[in-house]
Amino acid sequence: QKEVEQNSGPLSVPEGAIASLNCTYSDRVSQSFFWYRQYSGKSPELIMSIYSNGDKEDGRFTAQLNKASQYVSLLIRDSQPSDSATYLCAVDMLTFGGGTRLMVKP
Amino acid sequence: GAVVSQHPSWVICKSGTSVKIECRSLDFQATTMFWYRQFPKQSLMLMATSNEGSKATYEQGVEKDKFLINHASLTLSTLTVTSAHPEDSSFYICSAPAGETNHEQYFGPGTRLTVT
Repeated sequence: QKEVEQNSGPLSVPEGAIASLNCTYSDRVSQSFFWYRQYSGKSPELIMSIYSNGDKEDGRFTAQLNKASQYVSLLIRDSQPSDSATYLCAVDMLTFGGGTRLMVKP
Repeated sequence: GAVVSQHPSWVICKSGTSVKIECRSLDFQATTMFWYRQFPKQSLMLMATSNEGSKATYEQGVEKDKFLINHASLTLSTLTVTSAHPEDSSFYICSAPAGETNHEQYFGPGTRLTVT
């Protein structure tokens, strides 16, 4: 059975810092990886998808994938209080981690 | 693009009654939609995959006779919670795949169900 692991947090960072969120997955043949953001009481929204090893940047967000280590991460640069949310890692569309709660303190 | 709507956004019903939740893809067609349930401070739990024109596929442990799913068209899927009980109170969220590879999920805003 596929598993996706995330540290539940909370991860607390000061405003303006880089937040680093990590995710590991169990199925070596997984092909697609996603990061979603979920504010309290709301549904998830897609932030980024990544399919190839390496980095993918979109604005303040960078997704990093290392298939050999079965590891995917999300970096948020210049973190803002509005980034405070739970970040969900998903593998192959339907397998979700438990989420990491990020708190950005002003 | 890739907007998914849900209706209603919240509903309160009495124990023993049924509740229908609608999920619509507004600007794209979705042959497949997914239904999730999320309890407070827990992650998403996939309940079932809704397939246009055929029966839904339910995850292990989800009662198909209690959670009726109908995918009536390429833009509409409905979830009916039958004979609702207080333990069915939860946040129900639908999603549909879209995007370049059709693997990115776009979620509806969710429906908060409270059974009294």
